Amino acid sequence: EVQLVESGGGIVQPGESLRLSCAASGFTFSRYWMHWVRQVPGKGLVWVSLIKSDGTTITYADSVKGRFTISRDNAKNTLYLQMNSLRVEDTAVYYCARDGVGSGHDFDSWGQGTLVTVSS
Amino acid sequence: QSALTQPASVSGSPGQSITISCTGTSSDLGGFNSVSWYQHHPGRAPKLMIYDVSNRPSGVSNRFSGSKSGNTASLTISGLQAEDEADYYCSSHTSIPEVVFGGGTKLTVL
Repeated sequence: EVQLVESGGGIVQPGESLRLSCAASGFTFSRYWMHWVRQVPGKGLVWVSLIKSDGTTITYADSVKGRFTISRDNAKNTLYLQMNSLRVEDTAVYYCARDGVGSGHDFDSWGQGTLVTVSS
Repeated sequence: QSALTQPASVSGSPGQSITISCTGTSSDLGGFNSVSWYQHHPGRAPKLMIYDVSNRPSGVSNRFSGSKSGNTASLTISGLQAEDEADYYCSSHTSIPEVVFGGGTKLTVL
């Protein structure tokens, strides 16, 4: 069974940093592109970042470019999101998601999410 | 990149069919056949229901179907059931920033 388990969320002040992790199991992690998607409470889903299976392709949404860094450790089956210079508007539930078999990017497995709250 | 446009809410009675629309532009939804639909029960992980416009992943009920015409995609749920009550999101591949979601539609089963 595919499982994605996020961790690392919490409450931080504006300008601080946080690192999220996503532990993957039940599939060959190193073969899949992975994504981070976030959801502000009460709002819709927003794509944040992707990383290719071997880590050689990385892209970000404009809203996080230059502040967030996605990475992965295929030996540990873990995806990461380093979030620096956090802003109040980064408050959201952060989901990791596995890229599916579609022709573009679809997300065929998701974690339960981890809540990040940025507040002074 | 603006979000795709979905109705805020739709409703239907058990057994009926409903359709949720998702409108984009030629730069996203209209330019790619990579439209997906997700079901999200609050507090749970989102679930992929449709990918590549009209394909159902294994295990997804055939009551769910997808289509696209021009810059608008649609998700149709037939034979509505109480368990279908959830939020539904469309998404599309784009050139930049890669993926764009719709604002979400709350489905209420009356």
